[in-house]
Amino acid sequence: KAGVTQTPRYLIKTRGQQVTLSCSPISGHRSVSWYQQTPGQGLQFLFEYFSETQRNKGNFPGRFSGRQFSNSRSEMNVSTLELGDSALYLCASSPVQSTDTQYFGPGTRLTVL
Amino acid sequence: ILNVEQSPQSLHVQEGDSTNFTCSFPSSNFYALHWYRWETAKSPEALFVMTLNGDEKKKGRISATLNTKEGYSYLYIKGSQPEDSATYLCAPPGGSQGNLIFGKGTKLSVKP
Repeated sequence: KAGVTQTPRYLIKTRGQQVTLSCSPISGHRSVSWYQQTPGQGLQFLFEYFSETQRNKGNFPGRFSGRQFSNSRSEMNVSTLELGDSALYLCASSPVQSTDTQYFGPGTRLTVL
Repeated sequence: ILNVEQSPQSLHVQEGDSTNFTCSFPSSNFYALHWYRWETAKSPEALFVMTLNGDEKKKGRISATLNTKEGYSYLYIKGSQPEDSATYLCAPPGGSQGNLIFGKGTKLSVKP
C-alpha cells in the first residue's frame, strides 16, 4: 500500500499571502488529521476530517481551514499568512477514528518571509 | 485541554547503554496511549498502542509499560544503538472527539 503523501514538500510565501497544502491518505483510510510542528512546541493538532466533514478542531485561528473530498484526500488552507505560520505541517491518516494508529506523511515545510 | 508531559526533554547516551523515559498524562477517562518514534527527516512512525493498566509491549529492543491509575507510561530501550536516535512521542486521546494529544517528546541521541 502506498503511504500518505503530501504536496508540496517545501513552500516559501510572503506575509499576507495564502497557501493550500494537500494530503492523500492511505487507500481505505477515511480519517485525515492535520498537525503543525514548530520548534519547541511539538505537534499541535489543527483539525480532523472524516467523510468530508470536519469532526474535530484544535485551537487555531479561523485563518486555518481545511476540507476533505469524497476520495478522502484533504487540503489545508492558511489565509493571510503571518511569520509565525512558518512550520512543518504534517497530515496523518487512520482507518476510521483519529485515535486509531495514525500514519503520517512526510510533511510540508512552509516558510513565511 | 489534556496536559501530556514527557521527560526528559533530551537524552544523550553511548551505544550499548540502556535508557528509559517517561510520559505523564491525566489518569481520568483514560482509554489508550500511543507511542511514536520520529527520526530526523522522516515521518513519525507508530511504535505501540497501549490500553490496559499494567500493559507491557515490546518491539525488538524497545518496550513500554503503562500505569493508567497513576497516569504514566515508561519507554525502555535496551542496548541503545545509533539508529535509535530519534524523538519519541507519546499521545493519549484527549480532544472532545478523541483526537490524539501529543507530548513534546524526548529527543534521544545515541553516540557510537
